[in-house]
Amino acid sequence: KAGVTQTPRYLIKTRGQQVTLSCSPISGHRSVSWYQQTPGQGLQFLFEYFSETQRNKGNFPGRFSGRQFSNSRSEMNVSTLELGDSALYLCASSLEQGIWNTEAFFGQGTRLTVV
Amino acid sequence: QKEVEQNSGPLSVPEGAIASLNCTYSDRVSQSFFWYRQYSGKSPELIMSIYSNGDKEDGRFTAQLNKASQYVSLLIRDSQPSDSATYLCAARGSGGYNKLIFGAGTRLAVHP
Repeated sequence: KAGVTQTPRYLIKTRGQQVTLSCSPISGHRSVSWYQQTPGQGLQFLFEYFSETQRNKGNFPGRFSGRQFSNSRSEMNVSTLELGDSALYLCASSLEQGIWNTEAFFGQGTRLTVV
Repeated sequence: QKEVEQNSGPLSVPEGAIASLNCTYSDRVSQSFFWYRQYSGKSPELIMSIYSNGDKEDGRFTAQLNKASQYVSLLIRDSQPSDSATYLCAARGSGGYNKLIFGAGTRLAVHP
């Protein structure tokens, strides 16, 4: 069974540009969550999508957005990139067994560097 | 108080010993907990989940949950150098769904 696939694996962008990251969840998983990981802040929740609807959003500026398609694939977009957006962006896929006991499985991540 | 707290370490143990990793949590998270292992430069890998008070064992790993003390732990028996990694404790957010709140992680070093 294929795992969570994130593309691209590495990106280098210039300040002010925008970027789109992609995530394909495990087959049959309908929930996709996004996280940002930095050395200073650790792993922080960005947002979660289920059945094409955003169910949860973390404490990030509006420059961070996402969407989910009918096949459960998800994209996140960051506009007007800042140096501080340099991070590992992780996507997690979950099978919706129930609200409280669903395990999340992470993709390999996209390493974004803003210069 | 942070929602999920871990000692950043490093925790150094000799090969073959038991490594004990600890995590405390606040009232602002729900009662579902997860342990992830993250090797340097890699993504987090789920080791165990625990939802009920008590112990849960899987191979060399045992997760323990004590709701009265708001304490979660992970024991690794017969530690191997390949267990050297950062261990992340996560709790589901109080709103439910699939928002996870992570501790800062504890770096474990197992030396031969």
